Amino acid sequence: QQPVQSPQAVILREGEDAVINCSSSKALYSVHWYRQKHGEAPVFLMILLKGGEQKGHDKISASFNEKKQQSSLYLTASQLSYSGTYFCGTTPRGEYGNKLVFGAGTILRVKS
Amino acid sequence: DTAVSQTPKYLVTQMGNDKSIKCEQNLGHDTMYWYKQDSKKFLKIMFSYNNKELIINETVPNRFSPKSPDKAHLNLHINSLELGDSAVYFCASSQEVSASRTYEQYFGPGTRLTVT
Repeated sequence: QQPVQSPQAVILREGEDAVINCSSSKALYSVHWYRQKHGEAPVFLMILLKGGEQKGHDKISASFNEKKQQSSLYLTASQLSYSGTYFCGTTPRGEYGNKLVFGAGTILRVKS
Repeated sequence: DTAVSQTPKYLVTQMGNDKSIKCEQNLGHDTMYWYKQDSKKFLKIMFSYNNKELIINETVPNRFSPKSPDKAHLNLHINSLELGDSAVYFCASSQEVSASRTYEQYFGPGTRLTVT
């Protein structure tokens, strides 16, 4: 079953922060985050495997709450280059390790 | 060097035709995938091959047939194309996966298929 992402879209000014959430109705083994710019391929950001795990990549970080079956992506001090659609991809526990089910995406637009 | 490449980039064809999309990766990965992204940007896995063996086969019409001649290549053949097949098809690859391992996926540039 497809994870639910929120919000559907967000508009920021440069330097502002944003949080994108991803929730699943199933117990999760892993959560992947990808960013896709218009007309381009999705690009990997990070994977979270364990409950409570947090990762960071530049000013983009994420957390995984295993008990709540949800993950959040944090974008701090946003830059114009952060604009794009963010997808979470989840693997329910017991499913094949890379059989990702993607959410519908969150459109992020950063304005100057 | 392009890590994951697809050809063609654009494909415009008529209903009922048969077409193929080719994918190649030079990352040394063992696992390759086909995804379909529809007009609403919904990204859905179709197939996955691990060392030339089909490991994921989602609910896809049997008009779609993947073929992996070797672990660096994964092609997608589509028979009797329908209007609803219009979408962007992405190939991806990753390190070898198992039931207990997961790795980041590297996507190709996509093939935009338009069926008229």
